[in-house]
Amino acid sequence: EIVLTQSPGTLSLSPGERGTLSCRASQSVNDNYLAWYQQKPGQAPRLLIFGASSRATGIPDRFSGSGSKTDFTLTISRLEPEDFALYYCQQYGNSPRTFGQGTKVEIK
Amino acid sequence: DVHLLESGGGLVQPGGSLRLSCAASEFTFSTFPMSWVRQAPGKGLEWVSTISGDGGQTYYADNVKGRFTISRDNSKNTLYLQMNTVRAEDSAVYYCAKDLVASRSTRRPFDSWGQGTQVTVSS
Repeated sequence: EIVLTQSPGTLSLSPGERGTLSCRASQSVNDNYLAWYQQKPGQAPRLLIFGASSRATGIPDRFSGSGSKTDFTLTISRLEPEDFALYYCQQYGNSPRTFGQGTKVEIK
Repeated sequence: DVHLLESGGGLVQPGGSLRLSCAASEFTFSTFPMSWVRQAPGKGLEWVSTISGDGGQTYYADNVKGRFTISRDNSKNTLYLQMNTVRAEDSAVYYCAKDLVASRSTRRPFDSWGQGTQVTVSS
């Protein structure tokens, strides 16, 4: 199975700053089928990005995804107070679908 | 808006059984593959099982294969997870999740999630 490694484990930033989150796969992800989710405490995950770079319905354009094969990035251009949360990457191009261990974006 | 509501969680002894349900609404349930994803306390997300829209194909993570059974009743718009021979490491919040696209492929992200139901395995 594909192992996804996210870095950093915690990202400490101030509102208005740019956040860059990394997701590295142990092998190439078929068709760049890589998604990003946001999870807040006590809530279910929310789909942000799929297909490495396509925003899900209703997701603000300050969220963007990029990358291919084994290296993927989620960028939050200007952090809003509601963006401080946990972020997970997931690959769904290879079976089984697997998740990274998460990156926490916290207020500095 | 898609609505998914899990139920059936609770405290169960090691080796025991539990059946989770997920009631779905506001979409054509029978056309979408559905999945269970779990999250142990303070841990990340782990895919557990997926079932095709017509229920004819099922998929399991290796660590639950042979113990858990996923099923669905499209006439009731409900997804199930029968959990047998549970272990302490099965303790988690269990989410039901819907695939982004109605297709026979399971190579899709999850675009809608329920609020989760807590399963605790302890004596």
